[in-house]
Amino acid sequence: DIVLTQTPLSSLVTLGQPASISCRSSQSLVYSGDGNTYLSWLQQRPGQPPRLLIYKIFNRFSGVPDRFSGSGAETDFTLKISRVEAEDVGVYYCMQATQFPYTFGQGTKLEIK
Amino acid sequence: EVQLVESGGGLVQPGGSLRLSCIASGFSFSSYNMIWVRQAPGKGLECISYITSYDDTKHYADSVRGRFVVSRNNGMNSLYLQMNSLRDEDTAVYYCARVVAGTAGADYWGQGTLVTVSS
Repeated sequence: DIVLTQTPLSSLVTLGQPASISCRSSQSLVYSGDGNTYLSWLQQRPGQPPRLLIYKIFNRFSGVPDRFSGSGAETDFTLKISRVEAEDVGVYYCMQATQFPYTFGQGTKLEIK
Repeated sequence: EVQLVESGGGLVQPGGSLRLSCIASGFSFSSYNMIWVRQAPGKGLECISYITSYDDTKHYADSVRGRFVVSRNNGMNSLYLQMNSLRDEDTAVYYCARVVAGTAGADYWGQGTLVTVSS
């Protein structure tokens, strides 16, 4: 199985300041069948189901604020929040769908300082 | 509006069975691959099953293979998860989610249904 390792596991951020989460994969997430990289980022607010933020590394899902951005390639990926807002509190997961079983990172808990 | 509504969770004894359902609305259910993802209390996310839009391919995580069976009825806009030989470690909230072909993003999720395995 592909292992995704997120860092940090928790982050305390001041409102209006940036935040960054790293996701490292145990193997390349480039799908040999089509050359795409199926790495997504999801947000899970307390008591809520996960919500898709970013798909295929850097594509924002519909309705996701542009303060969220994704980058990376092969095995190293990053989610950045340019200016953290109170509603961004929650746990963030990277997820790979290049190979079954789809796997998730351990999650990064974002809190406001 | 896209909606996914899970049901069928509850308390079951170890070794017992449950069947979860996920009813879809607001989109063409038969056009989408679907996954089941579970989350043990206070833990992270685990994708346990995947089924293609026309039921021609299914995958299972090692943790449930041989015990769980995923199925769907496109005419009823429904996804199912038959869970047998349940263990304590299967206790979790179970979510169904839609997967978009071409992006592989799990773009819509249900609210989840809680399964508790305990004697």
